[in-house]
Amino acid sequence: KAGVTQTPRYLIKTRGQQVTLSCSPISGHRSVSWYQQTPGQGLQFLFEYFSETQRNKGNFPGRFSGRQFSNSRSEMNVSTLELGDSALYLCASSRGRDNSPLHFGNGTRLTVT
Amino acid sequence: QKEVEQDPGPLSVPEGAIVSLNCTYSNSAFQYFMWYRQYSRKGPELLMYTYSSGNKEDGRFTAQVDKSSKYISLFIRDSQPSDSATYLCAMRGSPGGTSYGKLTFGQGTILTVHP
Repeated sequence: KAGVTQTPRYLIKTRGQQVTLSCSPISGHRSVSWYQQTPGQGLQFLFEYFSETQRNKGNFPGRFSGRQFSNSRSEMNVSTLELGDSALYLCASSRGRDNSPLHFGNGTRLTVT
Repeated sequence: QKEVEQDPGPLSVPEGAIVSLNCTYSNSAFQYFMWYRQYSRKGPELLMYTYSSGNKEDGRFTAQVDKSSKYISLFIRDSQPSDSATYLCAMRGSPGGTSYGKLTFGQGTILTVHP
């Protein structure tokens, strides 16, 4: 069974630009969550989608947004990039309806210059 | 105060040692507890997933939960150099609660097992 796939693996962007990250969950998983990982703050929750609806949201500014498609694939968008947005962005999927655990992809490393 | 506290280490042990990793938490709503292992340039890999207080064993790994003390542990027996990684504890609330849909992580403990 294929795991969670995130593309691209690496991105370099300039301040003020926007970026879109993509996540394909494990087959059959309907919940997709996004996390930001930095050395200073660790792993922080961004948002969770289930059946194309945002079910939970973390404490990030509105520049961070996401969506989920009918095939459960998800995208995350960050607009007006700031230097502090440089991080590893991780996507996780789960069945979403029960107490199933989350499985993570290998992330997208975003560098903002 | 952070909801989840984890000793960041680093922790360095000889091959074959027993490793103990620990997290404490303050949010009583947390009911599900996980341990993840993260290698450099990789995403977190699920090691253990527990709900009840008590012990859960899987091979060389034992997860321990004490809800009354708000304390969880991961023990690694016969540690190997391939166990060298960052270990993250994570937890979430029950379905329907506000803390269910997201995981709250500890800061991670960096473990090195030397031959």
